[in-house]
Amino acid sequence: KNEVEQSPQNLTAQEGEFITINCSYSVGISALHWLQQHPGGGIVSLFMLSSGKKKHGRLIATINIQEKHSSLHITASHPRDSAVYICAAPLYNTDKLIFGTGTRLQVFP
Amino acid sequence: SAVISQKPSRDICQRGTSLTIQCQVDSQVTMMFWYRQQPGQSLTLIATANQGSEATYESGFVIDKFPISRPNLTFSTLTVSNMSPEDSSIYLCSVRESVYEQYFGPGTRLTVT
Repeated sequence: KNEVEQSPQNLTAQEGEFITINCSYSVGISALHWLQQHPGGGIVSLFMLSSGKKKHGRLIATINIQEKHSSLHITASHPRDSAVYICAAPLYNTDKLIFGTGTRLQVFP
Repeated sequence: SAVISQKPSRDICQRGTSLTIQCQVDSQVTMMFWYRQQPGQSLTLIATANQGSEATYESGFVIDKFPISRPNLTFSTLTVSNMSPEDSSIYLCSVRESVYEQYFGPGTRLTVT
């Protein structure tokens, strides 16, 4: 069992739909990262959060420390949101990031 | 936030040769990391690059295959030595400014033929 698990693995949506990607982890963490990887390979850090909720534009990330669960929401999805979304958690008191396997999102016009 | 650049952005190399990937950061950072992402897989940490000391390698990665240099607080190189097709991957440089702030470079897409 992976220490960081994401669901779904693949997701397709029509433009304008509300998207939710889930991340569950089984390790003690100090913070959780949501990353976006475009087809070229480069990774952009979307959010880093240790509690509660953060919002940036159409993106919202939430985390529930007690339940060891985080979600990434995309409102009014757009084809340019098509990418792989990865959650990653640094193990508590270590430098090591544990990555989820990613969710491949395709948004069609 | 730190801005990271990598060179080259992509390369196609012959089996048995070596490639050196450069990572440049626009600010001084203590912790730099090198990751590999094999096709269809998640990211795997290769090593932590420490300024002024030898890199710390993760299990399964050795210095002879992936030598790393870290001459100062803004620059690092990763060499992929004696390449085989199994080394075809995206290689990413990453820096950490705090536990809440980790940034990734644009990646180097390597294909070994």
